[in-house]
Amino acid sequence: GAVVSQHPSWVICKSGTSVKIECRSLDFQATTMFWYRQFPKQSLMLMATSNEGSKATYEQGVEKDKFLINHASLTLSTLTVTSAHPEDSSFYICSASYLRGTEAFFGQGTRLTVV
Amino acid sequence: AQRVTQPEKLLSVFKGAPVELKCNYSYSGSPELFWYVQYSRQRLQLLLRHISRESIKGFTADLNKGETSFHLKKPFAQEEDSAMYYCALIPATDSWGKFQFGAGTQVVVTP
Repeated sequence: GAVVSQHPSWVICKSGTSVKIECRSLDFQATTMFWYRQFPKQSLMLMATSNEGSKATYEQGVEKDKFLINHASLTLSTLTVTSAHPEDSSFYICSASYLRGTEAFFGQGTRLTVV
Repeated sequence: AQRVTQPEKLLSVFKGAPVELKCNYSYSGSPELFWYVQYSRQRLQLLLRHISRESIKGFTADLNKGETSFHLKKPFAQEEDSAMYYCALIPATDSWGKFQFGAGTQVVVTP
């Protein structure tokens, strides 16, 4: 099946710094990708929809200036956590599907730890 | 608001016993319902989708619109079924892939 890959798989950063997470669709083009956040022992919460060539749309309560999303190509979306703080520590997961109605594929996730 | 409820956080069953994971949803339209599974240290992967009416790895799920439920069942659990299971919903009128997930049910199958 199709593959969605995230990089890095884990990252540790200092408080106040920014960190970029990449999400790539390896064998298909995705005009839309999605970013989720998962706290320990909790479910996935949709953060934002990444739209190729246009602005991302954020879910209610998600700070767009905090979580910058760029979808510059049909195979790459990036999530930048700006001025990270310990409360931003979480598991970030992206997903994409080839076409509407087809299976959505999830990345392996990125574990962010802010110290 | 859309909501997906999985009442059981943990289900522990013996190998060979039946297992049923409950999922209820609240949505005024006609959503698409899914079950996703996450094995230890692996990514989320699709298990079932209600419109496909397939049986995957022995699991089945029936959409009951009257009860707004989409329970997942398997008649004989296997040890390899131990995983985290998420019920998920996509509103029919919303962007494809924009999932609302339930809290998840951890299934542990013991020999």
